[in-house]
Amino acid sequence: GAVVSQHPSWVICKSGTSVKIECRSLDFQATTMFWYRQFPKQSLMLMATSNEGSKATYEQGVEKDKFLINHASLTLSTLTVTSAHPEDSSFYICSARGAAFGGENIQYFGAGTRLSVL
Amino acid sequence: DAKTTQPPSMDCAEGRAANLPCNHSTISGNEYVYWYRQIHSQGPQYIIHGLKNNETNEMASLIITEDRKSSTLILPHATLRDTAVYYCIISNTGNQFYFGTGTSLTVIP
Repeated sequence: GAVVSQHPSWVICKSGTSVKIECRSLDFQATTMFWYRQFPKQSLMLMATSNEGSKATYEQGVEKDKFLINHASLTLSTLTVTSAHPEDSSFYICSARGAAFGGENIQYFGAGTRLSVL
Repeated sequence: DAKTTQPPSMDCAEGRAANLPCNHSTISGNEYVYWYRQIHSQGPQYIIHGLKNNETNEMASLIITEDRKSSTLILPHATLRDTAVYYCIISNTGNQFYFGTGTSLTVIP
């Protein structure tokens, strides 16, 4: 199956700093990538949709200036949490969708990044 | 918003079939039914998807009712490693996924 790599898997940072999370599709070209956030004992919440070479589309209530998304190539998207605060501590998960598999689009997920802001 | 309803939890004896139901009464004609599962502290894993026909792969079977308003994911011989939260998602060919609360399946030895 398709592999999506997410890095880092765990990051601890001080309040006020910025953190960058990378999401790579290793064996397919991802025309679209998605970013999710998951708080403990809750379901995944879609944050934004990222298309290669264009601006990301953010879900209602997600601050685009705080969560910067760049999708510069068909295999890489990054999420930068700017000026992180303790309330941004969460599990961030990316997914990638490619058009190459059986003609039907399936989202493949990374393993997630656990962010702890002190 | 999620357009699916699933029971919050289920138990299944190891070696028996696990049948996980999902209601999606507002599904539209071009929307697929996707099933994923999430083991604790990992990213969701794709299981299976379908449009209107029943589907089977090496992991599971997907049974979709004729009116497409509900479906059942079947794990034919559940193992302890199948303990996870299972999500049923309705989406138009891989567009945005809006996750519901899913079903927490516990496989009991």
